[in-house]
Amino acid sequence: DAGVIQSPRHEVTEMGQEVTLRCKPISGHDYLFWYRQTMMRGLELLIYFNNNVPIDDSGMPEDRFSAKMPNASFSTLKIQPSEPRDSAVYFCASTGLAAYNEQFFGPGTRLTVL
Amino acid sequence: AQKITQTQPGMFVQEKEAVTLDCTYDTSDQSYGLFWYKQPSSGEMIFLIYQGSYDEQNATEGRYSLNFQKARKSANLVISASQLGDSAMYFCAMREGPFGNEKLTFGTGTRLTIIP
Repeated sequence: DAGVIQSPRHEVTEMGQEVTLRCKPISGHDYLFWYRQTMMRGLELLIYFNNNVPIDDSGMPEDRFSAKMPNASFSTLKIQPSEPRDSAVYFCASTGLAAYNEQFFGPGTRLTVL
Repeated sequence: AQKITQTQPGMFVQEKEAVTLDCTYDTSDQSYGLFWYKQPSSGEMIFLIYQGSYDEQNATEGRYSLNFQKARKSANLVISASQLGDSAMYFCAMREGPFGNEKLTFGTGTRLTIIP
């Protein structure tokens, strides 16, 4: 299995621009998670989906952030407009019944907003 | 109150020695799970070990074991015979509630450095 795939791996953008991060979970996994990691706040859950439905989005910082999962093999995290404080590493992770006790993380997207 | 507390921001350990990384947690749920993840300098998150709140035996995975003390609400990670490749950040995490609530809360991490 290819594991969780994230793109792009690195993104540099200017303040005010729209940013879209993409994730392909492991095939057969029905949970998908978006995390953000910063030095100040550590690793925090933004939102997670079960069977493509958002279950808990209480970690989404504000309306500038939105996440979608149109099908079982694809999810996006969008920031519009981006701000310098959004600079972080964004991880996508997935899990399923067969791997219930482990979340498999993608390699992350390092976002820099200038 | 913090749900997961890791009090050791950094540790230096001699190669081949055993190391214990501390983790305490706070929950009022009876059903919960505790996790440890490793993050090397390359940045990926690697799952190490899991302990369920109803598991009577301490979890073990190769050189990793979890010292689970339920009454003290601690879930320390023990790495036996440390190796240079063990140098990394280590995160403790908790999932609260029954199956279906998959939200993980992470601690702030411990940076472990293995000295040759």
